[in-house]
Amino acid sequence: EVQLVESGGGVVQPGGSLRLSCAASGFTFGNFWMHWVRQAPGKGPMWVSRIDNDGTNINYADSVKGRFTISRDNAKNTVYLQMNNLRAEDTAVYYCIRDFRIYDFWGQGTQVTVSS
Amino acid sequence: QSTLTQPVSVSGSPGQSISISCTGTTNDVGNYDFVSWYQQRFPGEVPKLIIYDVDNRPSGVSNRFSGSKSGNTASLTISGLLAEDEGDYYCTSFTTSHTHVFGSGTKVTVL
Repeated sequence: EVQLVESGGGVVQPGGSLRLSCAASGFTFGNFWMHWVRQAPGKGPMWVSRIDNDGTNINYADSVKGRFTISRDNAKNTVYLQMNNLRAEDTAVYYCIRDFRIYDFWGQGTQVTVSS
Repeated sequence: QSTLTQPVSVSGSPGQSISISCTGTTNDVGNYDFVSWYQQRFPGEVPKLIIYDVDNRPSGVSNRFSGSKSGNTASLTISGLLAEDEGDYYCTSFTTSHTHVFGSGTKVTVL
C-alpha cells in the first residue's frame, strides 16, 4: 500500500524555521519526482517545490524561493522541506505528493501555523 | 507566478453537463499538455486527481469527467451531473519556469 506520511508541522513565530519530513512507503521512492503543495485556510492549493529522482533538479515557487529548501534521502525514502524566515502567509496545510501526474498520490498533510 | 483563471462558480441540475474553464498564458497552459484537474469535495479533504495531461483519466475515475484544451484555455466537462460532484475543482499546469501553477478554483453546485 502506497503511503506518504508528513510530519514536522507546528506553530512557529514569524521569522522562525521548521523542517517538514515526508516518509514514503509502498513504492520505489527513488523512481519518482516528489513535490510539496500547500493549502491555506479557505484558499486553493499552491504548488511550493519539486525535486527529481536523485535530487539534482529542483524548482521553487517564487514566493518561497530563497527561504525554503527541498531535499531527499532515497536511502531513507524521505523527502524534506526546510522552511526558514517563515511568514504569516506561509500558514497552511503542507502536502507531500508523489509524481503530481499519472502516478499522483498525496499524503494527508501537516499543519504549519506562523503566528506570534 | 500568477494563478490560472477559473470561474468562481458553476452550477447545474442533476443529469446535465457543465464545463469549467481554466485560462492561462503561453507560459503555461498554452505551452504544455501538462494540465491536470483536481476535485476537492469538502474543506480539508485531500484533493483528488481526476484528469492529467489535458484529457487522461486516472484509473478508477468516472468517465463522466473529461478534459480538453484549446490555445491557452483548458476545460473540464462533467457529464451526467450527480450530487456527489459538488465541491471545488482546481486546474494546474506546468510552466516554462519549470514550476507548477494552480487555478483559482471553481465551486460546483448541483441544483
